[in-house]
Amino acid sequence: GESVGLHLPTLSVQEGDNSIINCAYSNSASDYFIWYKQESGKGPQFIIDIRSNMDKRQGQRVTVLLNKTVKHLSLQIAATQPGDSAVYFCAETGATGGGNKLTFGTGTQLKVEL
Amino acid sequence: KAGVTQTPRYLIKTRGQQVTLSCSPISGHRSVSWYQQTPGQGLQFLFEYFSETQRNKGNFPGRFSGRQFSNSRSEMNVSTLELGDSALYLCASSLPGTGGRETQYFGPGTRLLVL
Repeated sequence: GESVGLHLPTLSVQEGDNSIINCAYSNSASDYFIWYKQESGKGPQFIIDIRSNMDKRQGQRVTVLLNKTVKHLSLQIAATQPGDSAVYFCAETGATGGGNKLTFGTGTQLKVEL
Repeated sequence: KAGVTQTPRYLIKTRGQQVTLSCSPISGHRSVSWYQQTPGQGLQFLFEYFSETQRNKGNFPGRFSGRQFSNSRSEMNVSTLELGDSALYLCASSLPGTGGRETQYFGPGTRLLVL
């Protein structure tokens, strides 16, 4: 039968405003978290990561917050620009025995309005 | 450094055929992972190769297979293609490491359409 696409939540922000994209994860064993940005027709682009022994990490215009108690991750983008328009994915890994097996969230569409 | 490259970028096949996709990791990266991205299921992990050995495997049927060569380049193969295999296939590479948790960098993907 016809497949139903995942419903991507959309966040619309004005240029210059701050954006906050949220992500919930379920695996309490996850110990490494990453945010990726995917523009149309391209592969995911690494933005920032955080390990479970931290609760905040900052990059250039981006901040990731990790709340292990409620298994929640957020990405804050300061002074959002039109070039930030994309789908943002959180990803987690906690694979036992080593290895890179990422579990991705469904993604959030960020639209920046001029 | 050049990024992760994938070939071909676009591919059209018919049901029942097989396909081989190729991935060249970033120079110096030894881990290569493959993911499938579809509108219905999102991004799903297929498998990971490290030092020519499969280190992790996702929940895909045996029709999906892969391998890694001594130069870290990787290929994935899908046999007996089904319509549902139409997807963007993404390859990601990461630096040497045996414990995982290395940042993965993605290629542009191969868009496969099965008719």
